[in-house]
Amino acid sequence: DTAVSQTPKYLVTQMGNDKSIKCEQNLGHDTMYWYKQDSKKFLKIMFSYNNKELIINETVPNRFSPKSPDKAHLNLHINSLELGDSAVYFCASSHGQATNTEAFFGQGTRLTVV
Amino acid sequence: LAKTTQPISMDSYEGQEVNITCSHNNIATNDYITWYQQFPSQGPRFIIQGYKTKVTNEVASLFIPADRKSSTLSLPRVSLSDTAVYYCLVGDKEGTYKYIFGTGTRLKVLA
Repeated sequence: DTAVSQTPKYLVTQMGNDKSIKCEQNLGHDTMYWYKQDSKKFLKIMFSYNNKELIINETVPNRFSPKSPDKAHLNLHINSLELGDSAVYFCASSHGQATNTEAFFGQGTRLTVV
Repeated sequence: LAKTTQPISMDSYEGQEVNITCSHNNIATNDYITWYQQFPSQGPRFIIQGYKTKVTNEVASLFIPADRKSSTLSLPRVSLSDTAVYYCLVGDKEGTYKYIFGTGTRLKVLA
């Protein structure tokens, strides 16, 4: 069983469309994250949820809206997609939020906006 | 903000020991130091974590000096499959912790 799974793995879409990326973890963790990795391979945190509550919201356009229906899921919805949104998006989870915990990452979703 | 600085890239040959150093001058008292490995087209994977002195597991060793302003990841006898990007993370508490990834070190192992 995959610990942190994301769907879809690849997503190609046109500018202006709305798309969602789903993430599920079966580790029983209470904290989940979304990261964006751009073409230069920089990994930047976007959001963090703890027990379904938004904890971290970095400087991310309002077009990005995370939704956590329960502790095991954290979905990312993106409105009005732009070319600059093209990147690999990683979901992750951890037990707690302190830095002495290990974060588990999904395989990533490669989003290409054309 | 706690920032980390790592070499951008390193080359090594199979069988050699590789040491990757990370600087984190502003590390906070309660922060741990964590290293992740990322292969192409995969998410980062936890390698090792420590707070002070030395930590060793089946994959790597982590050396942390007394002042904790730097750390060194040591990979013994690397193989081609160790070619990856290695990230050093330290905590960055601004009300809550979050995992901040630096630029990482791209390790290339040559035959």
